[in-house]
Amino acid sequence: AQSVSQHNHHVILSEAASLELGCNYSYGGTVNLFWYVQYPGQHLQLLLKYFSGDPLVKGIKGFEAEFIKSKFSFNLRKPSVQWSDTAEYFCAVNLYGGSQGNLIFGKGTKLSVKP
Amino acid sequence: DAGVIQSPRHEVTEMGQEVTLRCKPISGHNSLFWYRQTMMRGLELLIYFNNNVPIDDSGMPEDRFSAKMPNASFSTLKIQPSEPRDSAVYFCASSLGPGGFSWNTEAFFGQGTRLTVV
Repeated sequence: AQSVSQHNHHVILSEAASLELGCNYSYGGTVNLFWYVQYPGQHLQLLLKYFSGDPLVKGIKGFEAEFIKSKFSFNLRKPSVQWSDTAEYFCAVNLYGGSQGNLIFGKGTKLSVKP
Repeated sequence: DAGVIQSPRHEVTEMGQEVTLRCKPISGHNSLFWYRQTMMRGLELLIYFNNNVPIDDSGMPEDRFSAKMPNASFSTLKIQPSEPRDSAVYFCASSLGPGGFSWNTEAFFGQGTRLTVV
């Protein structure tokens, strides 16, 4: 079965540190890739998405992600985190040709940024 | 647009009671999804509708769960009877596309309903 793996359950960083959150998916076909963010007590919001084209995708709030097809990865990065980035981050995959509507989510990575 | 609207935001109920969660998708969106979020299992797709028709309900955990979409602007998720293990945050999401998460769209999520069954 297709799955999305997020390697880190909880990441703790100090402000200004660099961030990289791992995401790998298991599916050999064409995919759409997403990162969603969930701030404490809030709903999921789209951070960035990859559909096609340049594998380096820039999103909101200085986040970016790189799609590496050979590694089935879509890691999220930010050069310098802020306290306000404290949230839970979810990687998600939509499988082209798969069960339409089944956006498969990873289990999430909780990011805590210390001021 | 006000976004995807869910109600209630919080629901506390006793085991065995019927629970109904409500969702109003973004106007013009033709796909609607119900997700459940728990610490143990993360985000799980329960069911999704396209043009008010249920397309995939394979994620609905048991017959105690049912979902309806009587029109393009309203959907309900019902649990009857509820059990403590149903406690979770239930999210509704909508998207625009000819089928499910269409190839060039993303999902917009509501604020969620936090359900506690005691």
